[in-house]
Amino acid sequence: QSVLTQPPSASGTPGQRVTISCSGSSSNIGSNYVYWYQQLPGTAPKVLIYRSNQRPSGVPDRFSGSKSGTSASLAISGLRSEDEADYYCAAWDDSLSGHYVFGTGTRVTVL
Amino acid sequence: QVQLVESGGGLVKPGGSLRLSCAGSGFTFSDHHMNWIRQAPGKGLEWLSYISTSGTVIYYADSVKGRFTVSRDNAKKSLYLQMNSLRAEDTAVYYCAREMLVSGFSYHAMDVWGQGTTVTVSS
Repeated sequence: QSVLTQPPSASGTPGQRVTISCSGSSSNIGSNYVYWYQQLPGTAPKVLIYRSNQRPSGVPDRFSGSKSGTSASLAISGLRSEDEADYYCAAWDDSLSGHYVFGTGTRVTVL
Repeated sequence: QVQLVESGGGLVKPGGSLRLSCAGSGFTFSDHHMNWIRQAPGKGLEWLSYISTSGTVIYYADSVKGRFTVSRDNAKKSLYLQMNSLRAEDTAVYYCAREMLVSGFSYHAMDVWGQGTTVTVSS
């Protein structure tokens, strides 16, 4: 059972802004960086955000990450049909003697 | 190009063993910490194991500790996962992934993933 909680689903129309939350605790999000991954259907995940708010090269600036306390968020602005995918947050957890934890995942649907 | 290719998946009976391999190419394998992650059918991602560049630091998820063993051979640019005492709940697609380097600093972000190899545990 994941220790990072995400809403199971989110949706928006093309061009809209969608925000996905990720709730954790002091031992993970509260004290470590947050990472965000996008998984398109039938493919391996792709990193969108590292170090809580940094985008790897090649990731559009429509994707942005933020962190506050024990929660984090991923925002997708200017939503596009190709953004329809599963999104996972992740963080290192200090309470579990070296464990990386993924969030429960959020399915984003473009209406 | 930069890539990771997993192999070794298949059908195995409960209690059996499998060894997964992950071959890296197009980058300096020994520079990157590596991880194994799995995804059960229709489920989310589950981190399984981490191994440092030299192999001296290793972590496991509680769900596989004592049953799975991660190792690497930098000379062969390969990562391995020995899986013993397999259970039905180990049925999943298994991915290897490298941790990204930014300006020489390693972050726990996984920027290159393999295509996955499927493990099915069933009698």
